Amino acid sequence: NAGVTQTPKFRVLKTGQSMTLLCAQDMNHEYMYWYRQDPGMGLRLIHYSVGEGTTAKGEVPDGYNVSRLKKQNFLLGLESAAPSQTSVYFCASSYSNWGPQFFGPGTRLTVL
Amino acid sequence: KNEVEQSPQNLTAQEGEFITINCSYSVGISALHWLQQHPGGGIVSLFMLSSGKKKHGRLIATINIQEKHSSLHITASHPRDSAVYICAVIRGNKLVFGAGTILRVKS
Repeated sequence: NAGVTQTPKFRVLKTGQSMTLLCAQDMNHEYMYWYRQDPGMGLRLIHYSVGEGTTAKGEVPDGYNVSRLKKQNFLLGLESAAPSQTSVYFCASSYSNWGPQFFGPGTRLTVL
Repeated sequence: KNEVEQSPQNLTAQEGEFITINCSYSVGISALHWLQQHPGGGIVSLFMLSSGKKKHGRLIATINIQEKHSSLHITASHPRDSAVYICAVIRGNKLVFGAGTILRVKS
């Protein structure tokens, strides 16, 4: 089992460009999450999903969109990247809202 | 004030020392997680607990729901324990994270 994988691992964008980050899990988990991690701050929830076809906003959703068309995939989109979105992005999945979360390796995004 | 506060922010210890990391939270919760983030960036879940104490190897986690406080202890610390330790509380469908404690264990 691969667990939780994220694509790509690194990316550099120019301001205004768009991109999609892909998260995939092979554990048949219902819950999936997108976080961003910035220096000196804890992980902050961007969006999450409690099942295929559902999404919900987290703590810092502005500037991001998500989709969960298939249970195993959770996509995070940036329509018009801004330097403030420079961060490390982590995806996670869980079998329930209280169970342990399994994290992907992270995507380091730089917006110039 | 953050919902989840960790202390200390940074901790340097000598190999073999007993280490304690504290987590306090300001809202009612059903359970709490402790996670470890390795220097390479990977994040793994160490414990989930809603009461009492759990032990795994040299790691011990305790929680006092009434006092809104949890501690993570590391016995006989080793340089490979160097990492960021993160406390997170369960709020509905989500986790709310502390900022993390950076631990460095010197040999």
